[in-house]
Amino acid sequence: DVKVTQSSRYLVKRTGEKVFLECVQDMDHENMFWYRQDPGLGLRLIYFSYDVKMKEKGDIPEGYSVSREKKERFSLILESASTNQTSMYLCATRGEPGRQYFGPGTRLTVT
Amino acid sequence: AQSVTQPDIHITVSEGASLELRCNYSYGATPYLFWYVQSPGQGLQLLLKYFSGDTLVQGIKGFEAEFKRSQSSFNLRKPSVHWSDAAEYFCAVGAGTGGFKTIFGAGTRLFVKA
Repeated sequence: DVKVTQSSRYLVKRTGEKVFLECVQDMDHENMFWYRQDPGLGLRLIYFSYDVKMKEKGDIPEGYSVSREKKERFSLILESASTNQTSMYLCATRGEPGRQYFGPGTRLTVT
Repeated sequence: AQSVTQPDIHITVSEGASLELRCNYSYGATPYLFWYVQSPGQGLQLLLKYFSGDTLVQGIKGFEAEFKRSQSSFNLRKPSVHWSDAAEYFCAVGAGTGGFKTIFGAGTRLFVKA
């Protein structure tokens, strides 16, 4: 089974802090994704990566950046956290066409 | 524009009753279609998928879904709901080449009453 892990389940940060969310997968998938999930809005794509050091903006990239130095690891960076970035963050990889495998999520609170 | 609509924000059913969750999509070609389930505090787990072929697909946990091209729908069904089915359910469309980009609906939260 594919395993996608995220570094933290819960995280509390202060406004203005730099925040790193880490995601690691063990299935050698090329494609990795970061979403944020908010009630009533479903999942919205922040960034995705289709290979090492390759990244593309998703639908809501503002205020975020990403890093993919190794195939198994995809990091989401909040350069200066703000309260409107309080959300659930989900990492996913893509295996067979269209199907995604999700990590357990990180619930981030910015105070 | 590509989109996925789940008309019901939340649904409450009695344990043992049947369930149908609605999903409509807007996409020019035949899409890849998925249903995912999210238990509280967890990531999303795939319930079932449709790529081609038989329009009635079976998934895990006793769920099934039917693709109806004429109605642009992919409704999820279960004949008898268990209390453990209480969760949030997301319909999704895999668009673009190889279904690379996934578009999610807003989700339907299922409550199960005893």
